Amino acid sequence: DAKTTQPTSMDCAEGRAANLPCNHSTISGNEYVYWYRQIHSQGPQYIIHGLKNNETNEMASLIITEDRKSSTLILPHATLRDTAVYYCIVRAVYGNNRLAFGKGNQVVVIP
Amino acid sequence: DAGVTQSPTHLIKTRGQQVTLRCSPKSGHDTVSWYQQALGQGPQFIFQYYEEEERQRGNFPDRFSGHQFPNYSSELNVNALLLGDSALYLCASSSWGVPSNQPQHFGDGTRLSIL
Repeated sequence: DAKTTQPTSMDCAEGRAANLPCNHSTISGNEYVYWYRQIHSQGPQYIIHGLKNNETNEMASLIITEDRKSSTLILPHATLRDTAVYYCIVRAVYGNNRLAFGKGNQVVVIP
Repeated sequence: DAGVTQSPTHLIKTRGQQVTLRCSPKSGHDTVSWYQQALGQGPQFIFQYYEEEERQRGNFPDRFSGHQFPNYSSELNVNALLLGDSALYLCASSSWGVPSNQPQHFGDGTRLSIL
């Protein structure tokens, strides 16, 4: 599986946009970028995924660079409930359907 | 629409015992994957079941086994429990398809403590 690199932790201001970076320089053409988050004592929650185009849903926006070597998850208006560990994962479309989690990025939203 | 449900939520066992964890997938899903999450770490893939067969397996010993039933629900069995098996066990469900970019959806897990 291609590996991803994320900051270990970051703080964000409540009410402001939170930009969470992820590097995946070895991503291959048939691999998607997925984002999950895990709030303490809960299971991982799916946020969004994309291949090469920018994606937006009710939770967040995903911006993928043109060379696909990095991406940014944007939480448009961070709230205290967005405090969680955020995981950026690269997953193949064919054959290997498992999710390879790293340690993630501990995001703390500060009032 | 019920999401992924797991039982029990917490479990305490002693070394050498055996344990069975259960998972019901999200409505409409036919594939179940199991993950182990040690404290402070990301989840690690154990195995995946589809059509009642193990389709993929991660780097876990044979003490870890599973089963999927005709209604798509699944069990994870761990034999000869070790202290290192203490973890949060997560079940994720999805729809099988090749190719598939559909996301896996997770339950809130079973917290297993080994004494």
